[in-house]
Amino acid sequence: DAKTTQPTSMDCAEGRAANLPCNHSTISGNEYVYWYRQIHSQGPQYIIHGLKNNETNEMASLIITEDRKSSTLILPHATLRDTAVYYCIVRAASGSARQLTFGSGTQLTVLP
Amino acid sequence: EAEVAQSPRYKITEKSQAVAFWCDPISGHATLYWYRQILGQGPELLVQFQDESVVDDSQLPKDRFSAERLKGVDSTLKIQPAELGDSAMYLCASSRDRWEEKLFFGSGTQLSVL
Repeated sequence: DAKTTQPTSMDCAEGRAANLPCNHSTISGNEYVYWYRQIHSQGPQYIIHGLKNNETNEMASLIITEDRKSSTLILPHATLRDTAVYYCIVRAASGSARQLTFGSGTQLTVLP
Repeated sequence: EAEVAQSPRYKITEKSQAVAFWCDPISGHATLYWYRQILGQGPELLVQFQDESVVDDSQLPKDRFSAERLKGVDSTLKIQPAELGDSAMYLCASSRDRWEEKLFFGSGTQLSVL
């Protein structure tokens, strides 16, 4: 069963912020939200993760709603190299359910 | 920056043949994962190792797939015999341990079964 729902594809203009939404309405209290991305012909790359507070690192920002049922990954100034499939993943903090389970993701295309 | 090494990058084989993929994780990483990615889909976990022990192989088709990590360092994934439906990207990933937040992925082996 899919734990997350993401749009199939999105476009973004180069230099603008890319906002990628994710719904995870059945998330439980001990589950984190993770984001990975996969550039064509490469393996997935970790971006960021969070539990309930907003998070920021050198790659992106993660905004999680107060009820934790959805989140948004923000790439503040998208470049052509950010064109990739972005995966939103819900992952348990411990136990056998801690596997990283990928869905189909969102194909982000950054346009010049 | 250290990387997960995989070889070969591409493999073409005929159905019913045996095929093997190799993975060398980042030095010091105790946990190693093999994923399979069919075109247009996200990666699917096949097997997870903690050191030399299998932690999870519930999604590994054990009638034809096998995986080993004898010395707890590098790992081999084998398919025998290969079937047309095995055509996919086979990705290896590693992490410091099973509680590590980040998984580091290799570039994968693209398998085509003819």
